[in-house]
Amino acid sequence: QSVLTQPPSVSAAPGQKVTISCSGSSSNIGNNYVSWYQQLPGSAPQLLIYDNNERPSGIPDRFSGSKSGTSATLDITGLQTGDEADYYCGTWDSSLSAEVFGGGTKLTVL
Amino acid sequence: QLQLQESGPGLVKPSETLSLTCTVSGGSISSGSYYWGWIRQPPGKGLEWIGSIYYSGSTYYNPSLKSRVTISVDTSKNQFSLKLSSVTAADTAVYYCARHFWWELLTYFDYWGQGTLVTVSS
Repeated sequence: QSVLTQPPSVSAAPGQKVTISCSGSSSNIGNNYVSWYQQLPGSAPQLLIYDNNERPSGIPDRFSGSKSGTSATLDITGLQTGDEADYYCGTWDSSLSAEVFGGGTKLTVL
Repeated sequence: QLQLQESGPGLVKPSETLSLTCTVSGGSISSGSYYWGWIRQPPGKGLEWIGSIYYSGSTYYNPSLKSRVTISVDTSKNQFSLKLSSVTAADTAVYYCARHFWWELLTYFDYWGQGTLVTVSS
């Protein structure tokens, strides 16, 4: 049971937009910064978003993040088949004194 | 380009100690603003933070694993290491090392190793 709650799976057609949610509490998302990671099949996770909505260099602007209250969202526009991957949210939990992750969301591009 | 590489045994017996090393290249482990962390992922499951270390030796561990975890750093070799004691089958996972940016409430892992599978079995 993960501290952060994500939908197990989402799907959309190529070219469409998908939103992945990440729900937490005041001890984590509500008062700390959220990051997002993409894990392609058989690969290590890669940082997609940090500081709620900042993209590292090299990450396309098709990927965007936002946060409101105790929830965060990752939006992916212009979906490509290469975007099929597992996506994880992460943040610091001040009550647990630990970095925590969501359970992951598997994106299928139909 | 910063690169991280995990190394260590792929098979560990139950009750023994798992030991892994992460070698950092393309940058210094002693650079400020960054911690160096370990994250694991059981087969088919999500990510779990194990702990992180600063080049000075300051450590932070996941409370759920703290009693069994030791992370150390060797700045002369640009390496940091993980020891997890009294392992069971539940510790079977892919273990990743990563650079951990950590400033007050802003934390994230921006460079990751490729990961190494450690299986706990007799």
